[in-house]
Amino acid sequence: NAGVTQTPKFQVLKTGQSMTLQCAQDMNHNSMYWYRQDPGMGLRLIYYSASEGTTDKGEVPNGYNVSRLNKREFSLRLESAAPSQTSVYFCASSKEEPGNSPLHFGNGTRLTVT
Amino acid sequence: EDQVTQSPEALRLQEGESSSLNCSYTVSGLRGLFWYRQDPGKGPEFLFTLYSAGEEKEKERLKATLTKKESFLHITAPKPEDSATYLCAVQANSNYQLIWGAGTKLIIKP
Repeated sequence: NAGVTQTPKFQVLKTGQSMTLQCAQDMNHNSMYWYRQDPGMGLRLIYYSASEGTTDKGEVPNGYNVSRLNKREFSLRLESAAPSQTSVYFCASSKEEPGNSPLHFGNGTRLTVT
Repeated sequence: EDQVTQSPEALRLQEGESSSLNCSYTVSGLRGLFWYRQDPGKGPEFLFTLYSAGEEKEKERLKATLTKKESFLHITAPKPEDSATYLCAVQANSNYQLIWGAGTKLIIKP
């Protein structure tokens, strides 16, 4: 099984440019998440989708939008990239809510905004 | 405020030298505590879930324990392949989502 697949693996943007990070899971999981990981900090939740058709803000949603395209796919969009959005972005999925079932992570997208 | 702190930030051990990683937390009612392993350039991988004080879980050379204020990840006779960053996360009764620590980078030298 592929698990959670993220594309692209690396991206460099200029300030003000837009892009969409793609995520797909093949485990028939209900919940999907977008996190960012910065040096010296814990993972921070950007947005999550508890089930197909629903999305909710996490801890750091400003500057981002998401789309739960179907049960498999959950995309993250940066409309106008800023240097503060330089980070590693992880998509994750779980069968149920995170306390009841483990999160399965993709291998991340490393984004640099200049 | 709910918070998770991991220590030390980094730990270097010789192969076979046992030690422990710490995860201390303050939450308004613990629903669960989770340990993950993260290899360089990869996403975190689930290791354990602990729900109540006194609970222990084991997997190969790793054993996780839980008290009312902290969790320990004990590593016994580690091997170089145990080198990774170990992440701790908690879920509070009042919040659906996980609160993550910054991790401990473990390096095992042959």
